[in-house]
Amino acid sequence: EVQLVESGGGLVQPGRSLRLSCAASGFNYNDHAMHWVRQAPGKGLEWVSAISWDSGHVDHADSVKGRFTISRDNAKNSLYLQMNSLRAEDTAFYFCAKGPYGHPSYYFDNWGQGTLVTVSS
Amino acid sequence: EIVLTQFPGTLSLSPGERATLSCRASQSLSSGYLAWYQQKPGQAPRLLIYGASSRATGIPDRFSGSGSGTDFTLTISRLEPEDFAVYYCQQYGSSLGTFGQGTTLAIK
Repeated sequence: EVQLVESGGGLVQPGRSLRLSCAASGFNYNDHAMHWVRQAPGKGLEWVSAISWDSGHVDHADSVKGRFTISRDNAKNSLYLQMNSLRAEDTAFYFCAKGPYGHPSYYFDNWGQGTLVTVSS
Repeated sequence: EIVLTQFPGTLSLSPGERATLSCRASQSLSSGYLAWYQQKPGQAPRLLIYGASSRATGIPDRFSGSGSGTDFTLTISRLEPEDFAVYYCQQYGSSLGTFGQGTTLAIK
C-alpha cells in the first residue's frame, strides 16, 4: 500500500523559513516523480512544485519561484520542500503527491494527508 | 498558463440521481491530459479519472469521464451517499499542472 506522510508544518512568522518532509513507502520511490500541492483553508488546490525521479527536472509555480525549493533523497525515500521568505498567502495545507511515472508532467495518483503551514506574526 | 473553469459551482442532487460535472480549458489539452479528483472534508484528494476517461485503480464504474479538446465531463451515473464531495479537474499537458476551482456536489 502506498503511504505518503508529511511532516514539518507549523506556525511561522512572515519572512522566516520552514522545511517540509514527506516519507514515502509501499512503492518503488526511485521510479516516480513527486510533487507538492497546497490548499489554503476553504479554498481550491494549487500545484506548488514538482521533481522528476532523478531530480533532473524541477519546476515551481510562479507564486513560489525563488522562495521554495523542492528536493528528494532516493536513498531515504523522502521528499522535501524548503520554504524561505514565507508570506501570509503561503498559509495552507501542503500535500505530498506521487506521480505515476518518472517525469513530472502527469497527474497525481496518490496523496498524503497533508501538513498545515500557518504564516502569521 | 492553461485556465480550467468548472461548472456549475454547486450541484444539488439526491442519492440515486445522475450527476454531470463540466470542466472547460482555455486552450486545447494535448492528448486529453485531464484528470478528475474527489475531495471530502478533512481528507486528501483522491484520483478518479486520468487521460480524460480512464478510471483510476479501485474507482467504481459509476464514475466515468469523457471529452476532448477544451470540454470535459465527469459523470456519476447513480449517486451514492459517499459521492457528495468537492470535485476538481486538473490539466497536466504542460509542466505547470493547473486545477479548476472545483464543483461542490451537495445533497438536495
